[in-house]
Amino acid sequence: GEDVEQSLFLSVREGDSSVINCTYTDSSSTYLYWYKQEPGAGLQLLTYIFSNMDMKQDQRLTVLLNKKDKHLSLRIADTQTGDSAIYFCAERGSGGYNKLIFGAGTRLAVHP
Amino acid sequence: DTGVSQNPRHKITKRGQNVTFRCDPISEHNRLYWYRQTLGQGPEFLTYFQNEAQLEKSRLLSDRFSAERPKGSFSTLEIQRTEQGDSAMYLCASSRGQSNEKLFFGSGTQLSVL
Repeated sequence: GEDVEQSLFLSVREGDSSVINCTYTDSSSTYLYWYKQEPGAGLQLLTYIFSNMDMKQDQRLTVLLNKKDKHLSLRIADTQTGDSAIYFCAERGSGGYNKLIFGAGTRLAVHP
Repeated sequence: DTGVSQNPRHKITKRGQNVTFRCDPISEHNRLYWYRQTLGQGPEFLTYFQNEAQLEKSRLLSDRFSAERPKGSFSTLEIQRTEQGDSAMYLCASSRGQSNEKLFFGSGTQLSVL
């Protein structure tokens, strides 16, 4: 079945890099996504990567994909207090009509 | 692009009552999704529409839940005879239906069943 797992919590100092990790089970996933959720809000799409890529960079965000190990990571450079939020990894499942399967989310806390 | 709009933002109801939520997707998006999110969890898929056709329903969607998208634009999600376990954030998302399937989410409706 499809499953996405993430560590639940990450604490970093302002200005440091954050690395949020995710593992998934569906080897036929074509796209993988990172979403951000701030308190009381919906999910905001941050970035996504196609499964035939191993890296994608978008300003302060770097996504790394290890398809062999089914491991996805999101690196945020120069982390700011405004980056404090919950980050969700999602895979586009191979079954059904392309619905996204989400992990439980990683809460990122940025402290001075 | 006005974004995905959901109403109401919050709903408090008593157990056994019926509730209905509305979602207005981004206007040119033909796909519409409903997800449910409970505290400390990621969104769980409930159902999906391509235009007005409901193409997939999760086994999470019991007989008390019904969703419609009558003209392929806005959608409603109704929960009949609400139970305390229905308390959650109900999220709507829409997409263009392209291969990279980027979903854009609304701010959600927070349901509390007392």
